[in-house]
Amino acid sequence: NAGVTQTPKFRVLKTGQSMTLLCAQDMNHEYMYWYRQDPGMGLRLIHYSVGEGTTAKGEVPDGYNVSRLKKQNFLLGLESAAPSQTSVYFCASLRAQGEIYEQFFGPGTRLTVL
Amino acid sequence: GIQVEQSPPDLILQEGANSTLRCNFSDSVNNLQWFHQNPWGQLINLFYIPSGTKQNGRLSATTVATERYSLLYISSSQTTDSGVYFCAVEVFGNEKLTFGTGTRLTIIP
Repeated sequence: NAGVTQTPKFRVLKTGQSMTLLCAQDMNHEYMYWYRQDPGMGLRLIHYSVGEGTTAKGEVPDGYNVSRLKKQNFLLGLESAAPSQTSVYFCASLRAQGEIYEQFFGPGTRLTVL
Repeated sequence: GIQVEQSPPDLILQEGANSTLRCNFSDSVNNLQWFHQNPWGQLINLFYIPSGTKQNGRLSATTVATERYSLLYISSSQTTDSGVYFCAVEVFGNEKLTFGTGTRLTIIP
């Protein structure tokens, strides 16, 4: 049981390049989330998904796209990277069962856009 | 949107000391969680506590929903408690968490 994994762990891009971040979970959770964390700030929600084939915008969705083609995977895409997207990106999935309500986070992806 | 404020922003304590971290929120919530981010960046869920009191070892949390605040207590601090503690809340029907800016706790041996 690997929990939530993220690929890659680090990446450096040039302005205008594109890339896809992969999040995978093996806990059969319906809800998945993408956050970004900037220095001195809490996590801000980019996009989320409440189940396979669904996606919704979060607090800071501009410049990002997502897809949830399979229940276990949630992809975050940057079509044309900008320096403002330099950040640490976290994926999470949600276990919601009765009184239990817990988000599990991946280890993060550190992205630098030059 | 909902505002989540955490205090203090920074806290430096000697090993063995007790601490209280506070989270204030500006609207009624149906979900409140406390997280710990360790110095390596890993985020761990500590408590799901929309109301009432819970305890887990040296950590406990209390949420007074009617007064819109939550407290996280850490007793007999250890160096491994160092890191950033985040409070996150969800407004009814919103399906997503809003995070506070965190309290950075440093425990000195």
